[in-house]
Amino acid sequence: AQSVAQPEDQVNVAEGNPLTVKCTYSVSGNPYLFWYVQYPNRGLQFLLKYITGDNLVKGSYGFEAEFNKSQTSFHLKKPSALVSDSALYFCAVRPLRGSWGKLQFGAGTQVVVTP
Amino acid sequence: EAGVAQSPRYKIIEKRQSVAFWCNPISGHATLYWYQQILGQGPKLLIQFQNNGVVDDSQLPKDRFSAERLKGVDSTLKIQPAKLEDSAVYLCASSLAQELSPLHFGNGTRLTVT
Repeated sequence: AQSVAQPEDQVNVAEGNPLTVKCTYSVSGNPYLFWYVQYPNRGLQFLLKYITGDNLVKGSYGFEAEFNKSQTSFHLKKPSALVSDSALYFCAVRPLRGSWGKLQFGAGTQVVVTP
Repeated sequence: EAGVAQSPRYKIIEKRQSVAFWCNPISGHATLYWYQQILGQGPKLLIQFQNNGVVDDSQLPKDRFSAERLKGVDSTLKIQPAKLEDSAVYLCASSLAQELSPLHFGNGTRLTVT
């Protein structure tokens, strides 16, 4: 079965420092991977996706993610975090079988950026 | 463009009562989804529509949950009767009818069952 794991419940970082949110996946075959962000009392917003090609994917709000097949990881990164980046981040994988909208989400990582 | 609209924002009911949620997707989005997000967990797909047809409802508890999208635009999700474990945020999302198109989520309806 396809799944993603986010090993950290919370990540704390000071404003201006690099931010990394970890995600590992378990997928047979080539994975389709996504990152979404959720602000308080809001729905999820799409950040970026990896389908194929370049292992470094650039997305919205200065975020990027690095696909690493050997480590089965898809970590989200931002070179310089902002206080406004404080939110809940979800990694997701689209299973090979099933509808294209049937994303399998991780449990989420709360990011706290302090001034 | 206007986003995905959901109502109500909050709902509190007693167990065994019924409840309905409404969703209006982004104009032109043929695909509509209902996700359930339990506190501390990632969203879980309940049902996916393509226009007015059901594409995937494999994770919908059909003994108590139902959903419809009669005219291929807005949609209603119903729970009858509700259980305590149904307490969650119900998220509606829509997307273009293209594989791997990003999902656009509404702000959700927070349901509390007491």
